[in-house]
Amino acid sequence: DAGITQSPRHKVTETGTPVTLRCHQTENHRYMYWYRQDPGHGLRLIHYSYGVKDTDKGEVSDGYSVSRSKTEDFLLTLESATSSQTSVYFCAISERGGREKLFFGSGTQLSVL
Amino acid sequence: KNQVEQSPQSLIILEGKNCTLQCNYTVSPFSNLRWYKQDTGRGPVSLTIMTFSENTKSNGRYTATLDADTKQSSLHITASQLSDSASYICVVTLNYGQNFVFGPGTRLSVLP
Repeated sequence: DAGITQSPRHKVTETGTPVTLRCHQTENHRYMYWYRQDPGHGLRLIHYSYGVKDTDKGEVSDGYSVSRSKTEDFLLTLESATSSQTSVYFCAISERGGREKLFFGSGTQLSVL
Repeated sequence: KNQVEQSPQSLIILEGKNCTLQCNYTVSPFSNLRWYKQDTGRGPVSLTIMTFSENTKSNGRYTATLDADTKQSSLHITASQLSDSASYICVVTLNYGQNFVFGPGTRLSVLP
């Protein structure tokens, strides 16, 4: 998967607990994205980053925060997990953003009970 | 509202047969259109990418077409193989920002 590692691959947590998902890339790509994928929906953008410490919101950002302190790492945090955040989360990278191909990680299956 | 619709929702074919998947979009302003293949439990992988001026793009047994006037695209798979069993996702990129609009996908099952 193009040098992208997501961790953990699976996580089960309880409502109200904080959760952090990690995306690590070895491609030195500038752009990194967090998406969620739910049945019947296309992938939806949560947040993205266009450089170290440079991030912006996507269409479903409520309840999520992100941080990027190094080029290779992009963290997604659920401050207080809710059942509606049960989903599969994908990290993606792109060398030059919007007009370029996206490379996706293998996903994290998150279950909030 | 920017939307991408795909049909059919799911499709079952026999190995060796051809099939065509459809994508209709109402995205504007349009930059490019991509088709991705997503195997179960994996992230999507890019198959083709077409800009406004391209109307056909091939990648092995996969051929994508684009009609920018009618805002329709299709993905044709020739001589299907069992490994083609996957979801196929149409993605349209807006001509600004980091805006990718994803379709819900078509689930293809190829049976022996």
